[in-house]
Amino acid sequence: DTGVSQNPRHKITKRGQNVTFRCDPISEHNRLYWYRQTLGQGPEFLTYFQNEAQLEKSRLLSDRFSAERPKGSFSTLEIQRTEQGDSAMYLCASSLGRVLMNTEAFFGQGTRLTVV
Amino acid sequence: KQEVTQIPAALSVPEGENLVLNCSFTDSAIYNLQWFRQDPGKGLTSLLLIQSSQREQTSGRLNASLDKSSGRSTLYIAASQPGDSATYLCAVRWSGYALNFGKGTSLLVTP
Repeated sequence: DTGVSQNPRHKITKRGQNVTFRCDPISEHNRLYWYRQTLGQGPEFLTYFQNEAQLEKSRLLSDRFSAERPKGSFSTLEIQRTEQGDSAMYLCASSLGRVLMNTEAFFGQGTRLTVV
Repeated sequence: KQEVTQIPAALSVPEGENLVLNCSFTDSAIYNLQWFRQDPGKGLTSLLLIQSSQREQTSGRLNASLDKSSGRSTLYIAASQPGDSATYLCAVRWSGYALNFGKGTSLLVTP
């Protein structure tokens, strides 16, 4: 499978616990994005990496959220001290960035987080 | 404020009908626009990408058009099938790298 891969697919955690999600982008893609989607809404942008550099962060990304992309390959999204409001689908996407062109973004299957 | 709106929120059609899904955006200075399909509980599948310099893109039974001056895009689905039932999302990239999504149109194609 050469698509975007996300693990785990589902995560149930108790409020206050920390969770970490992993995203493996399409291998040649240098751009990686994290989005969050709640029921009945479109995905909302969280953060963007170009190679290993985190270039853009949404105001939605509170201090409890941190994302990394070491070596410009896979990425992790960690949520500390989870709250019930963090329950959502977390989606990862990747694209191939080229000068003066915005290429197609491909999404993974998402990680569904439930905070109880 | 830059916003993306999709109307209608839900649509039900009998199999075989041609249909149009609408997407409107508030700022015409877009880089590109992308249409996605999302099945319940799943991730997003890219359908079509239209660059700001393009007027339309086609893939199989799907045709997407872009009119920047009026802030509109349409996704045309020909000869709809029950397997087309899903939520269709429109996403716009303005400045920066984020895709800005509408809330989607939930499509049901009945046999």
